[in-house]
Amino acid sequence: EAGVAQSPRYKIIEKRQSVAFWCNPISGHATLYWYQQILGQGPKLLIQFQNNGVVDDSQLPKDRFSAERLKGVDSTLKIQPAKLEDSAVYLCASTPGRQHTDTQYFGPGTRLTVL
Amino acid sequence: AQSVSQHNHHVILSEAASLELGCNYSYGGTVNLFWYVQYPGQHLQLLLKYFSGDPLVKGIKGFEAEFIKSKFSFNLRKPSVQWSDTAEYFCAVKRSSNTGKLIFGQGTTLQVKP
Repeated sequence: EAGVAQSPRYKIIEKRQSVAFWCNPISGHATLYWYQQILGQGPKLLIQFQNNGVVDDSQLPKDRFSAERLKGVDSTLKIQPAKLEDSAVYLCASTPGRQHTDTQYFGPGTRLTVL
Repeated sequence: AQSVSQHNHHVILSEAASLELGCNYSYGGTVNLFWYVQYPGQHLQLLLKYFSGDPLVKGIKGFEAEFIKSKFSFNLRKPSVQWSDTAEYFCAVKRSSNTGKLIFGQGTTLQVKP
């Protein structure tokens, strides 16, 4: 079974530029999560999708971050414009459904450096 | 707000030493508890999880964790570590009524010397 795929693996941009990250969850997984992991900290949830609907985006900085999952499969996370403090690893995870016993499977992450 | 605290940021052990990593959470309701591991250059992987039942749970690679509800703790243990256990370990908590949101601790870096 293929895991969660993310691209790119690394990205370096200057502040005020835009950037987009892509995630393809495990086949058949209805729930998709984006986490932000700043160096020295644990991952923090940014947004959770159930199919193509948003379940939780309470910690997403909506003035600069946006995410979509139009067809309920893959997802894109965008930052526009980027700030220095956005430097982090952006992790995508997925679970089969909405059971609270589901295990989240994580992708390799995209490491973003904002200069 | 929910929070998770991992007591040790960096632990250095020799091979065959015993390991215990502390994890405490702040939430009074029913929770699900997890330990994830991230080996160098790899993605986060589930080590073990607790949902209900026996508070002593066993995971992969000889790891186990004990849920002590009265202490809001979920400490990770391994009787004898190996060099290959060198990794970063994250404790995470989720409300059992919640369908997804994991709250992670800040992580503990374990370095095992051969």
